[in-house]
Order: sequence, then C-alpha cells, then structure tokens
Amino acid sequence: EAGVAQSPRYKIIEKRQSVAFWCNPISGHATLYWYQQILGQGPKLLIQFQNNGVVDDSQLPKDRFSAERLKGVDSTLKIQPAKLEDSAVYLCASSLDRGGYNEQFFGPGTRLTVL
Amino acid sequence: DQQVKQNSPSLSVQEGRISILNCDYTNSMFDYFLWYKKYPAEGPTFLISISSIKDKNEDGRFTVFLNKSAKHLSLHIVPSQPGDSAVYFCAASNPLEAGANNLFFGTGTRLTVIP
Repeated sequence: EAGVAQSPRYKIIEKRQSVAFWCNPISGHATLYWYQQILGQGPKLLIQFQNNGVVDDSQLPKDRFSAERLKGVDSTLKIQPAKLEDSAVYLCASSLDRGGYNEQFFGPGTRLTVL
Repeated sequence: DQQVKQNSPSLSVQEGRISILNCDYTNSMFDYFLWYKKYPAEGPTFLISISSIKDKNEDGRFTVFLNKSAKHLSLHIVPSQPGDSAVYFCAASNPLEAGANNLFFGTGTRLTVIP
C-alpha cells in the first residue's frame, strides 16, 4: 500500500514570496490533515479536511495560509506571503473515517526555509 | 498553551536496558493517547496507543502506562535496541471535540540507544 506522498521535499524562498505544497493521501482515506512542525516542537494541526470539506481550521493563519482539497483527494497548502517564522516542516497526514479514533498516517513532510 | 508536555528533550540508554519516556498532559478531556516515532527526514509513524479506560497496553517490546489521576503516561521499551534511536512524540486526542481525531503533540524526546 502506497503511503502519503508530499512534494516538494525541500523548499527555500525569501520572505514575502509565495509557496505551495502538495499532498496525496492514502487511497480511500477520507480525512486529511496538514500540520506545521517548527524546529524543537511537536507537530501542530493547521487544518483538517473530511472529504473536501473543512472540519477544523481554527489554527490556520488565514491572512496568509490557505488550503484546499478539490474532489476530496489531493490537497494543496499555500502560504502567501511567507514570513521568517513560517520556516518549518509541513506534514500531511491522512486517516480513515470510521468513528472513534482513526490512526493517522504521515507523509515525509516538506521542509520550508524562509530567508 | 502546551497541553501535552514531554519535559525530557533527550535520553541515552545502553543497548539491552530499559528506556522510559515520560509525558504529561493538562486537559482532562483527553481520552486517547498515542506514541509516535520519528526518524530524520521521515514523517512520524504510529507506535502504540492507549485508551483512557485502560492503564496499560503492551505490544512486543513496547508498553504504554497511563495514570489518569496524575495525567501522566509513559512508554517503556525493553530491551532497547540501536534501531530504536529516534525522536518519540507523545500525542493525545479528544474525540468528543469538533475535529475529532485532532492530535495534540508533545515536543518530543530524542532517544539514543548506545550499542
């Protein structure tokens, strides 16, 4: 079974530039998550989708971050414009939706460096 | 506000000995707890979990203990092996909240098993 795919793996940009990350979840997983992991911290949820609807985006800085999941499969996370403090690893995860807790499977992440 | 805390950023253990990783939480509504393991340049992978109705869950060399009154859980690895060297994240979930399946992560403990 293929895992969660993310691209690019690394990205370096200057502040005020824009950047986009892509995620392809495990086939059949209805729920998709984007996490931000700043160096030395644990992952923090940015947004959760169930199919193509947003379940929780309370921690997403909506003035600069946006995310979409068209057709309930792939997802993109965009930052526009980027700030220095956005330097982090952006992790995508997916899970089934069966009620109760469902194990989340993580992709390898995209490491973003903002200069 | 950090709801899940791992106060030991690092731990070194001799091969064959026991590794004990600790985690504390503040939200009494958390009812499902997980440990994830993370190697460099990879996403976190699920290791073991425990529901709040239990106080112990064992899977091979890995055992998780939960003390609800103290809001504390620990992961025991016996015997420790060099391949166990990784960063371990404690995470908690409150399935009753909107966005059920949201995970709140600790800051991680880097385990080094010395051959």
